[in-house]
Amino acid sequence: SQTIHQWPATLVQPVGSPLSLECTVEGTSNPNLYWYRQAAGRGLQLLFYSVGIGQISSEVPQNLSASRPQDRQFILSSKKLLLSDSGFYLCAWSLAGLWEQYFGPGTRLTVT
Amino acid sequence: GQNIDQPTEMTATEGAIVQINCTYQTSGFNGLFWYQQHAGEAPTFLSYNVLDGLEEKGRFSSFLSRSKGYSYLLLKELQMKDSASYLCAVRGHSGYSTLTFGKGTMLLVSP
Repeated sequence: SQTIHQWPATLVQPVGSPLSLECTVEGTSNPNLYWYRQAAGRGLQLLFYSVGIGQISSEVPQNLSASRPQDRQFILSSKKLLLSDSGFYLCAWSLAGLWEQYFGPGTRLTVT
Repeated sequence: GQNIDQPTEMTATEGAIVQINCTYQTSGFNGLFWYQQHAGEAPTFLSYNVLDGLEEKGRFSSFLSRSKGYSYLLLKELQMKDSASYLCAVRGHSGYSTLTFGKGTMLLVSP
């Protein structure tokens, strides 16, 4: 069976500091991968998605970036965090060609 | 673009039936999803509709009318553990399986 991991689970970072969140999927090959953010009182916002190694599509222009260095690894980064970057960050995967997405446990980020 | 509307909150009693509605306006349509999200946790997949009609899965059923841009999630025999946010999401024609989510409906089940 497939599993998805995210770390860290919680993170408190000062404004202007860098960020690196990691997501890995086990038990499948060549998954589609997604990064979402869920801010308080708002819906899930798609940030990035990837259909293969090195292939990243950005949905929302901002100070975040994503990379996919390996088939089942997806990384969300920032060089300088803003207060507005606070939120619940969720990684998800789906099988290529299928549309159900399955979410990781999430990282709760607080920027102070 | 995509626009998805759901009620913000609903309340119901244990053992009852509740219907959560979702309306959408999209530039294309290729399926509607329902997810359940408990507080502080990740969303979990509940159902998927791509054709008109009712899909039943245990205590949960989901209905879709593409001509009306409308779906509902029906929860029967409510239990306290059903208290959660229910997210409606639509897949349009563009993108690789990308979904647009509504803001979710917070359901509170009381004894």
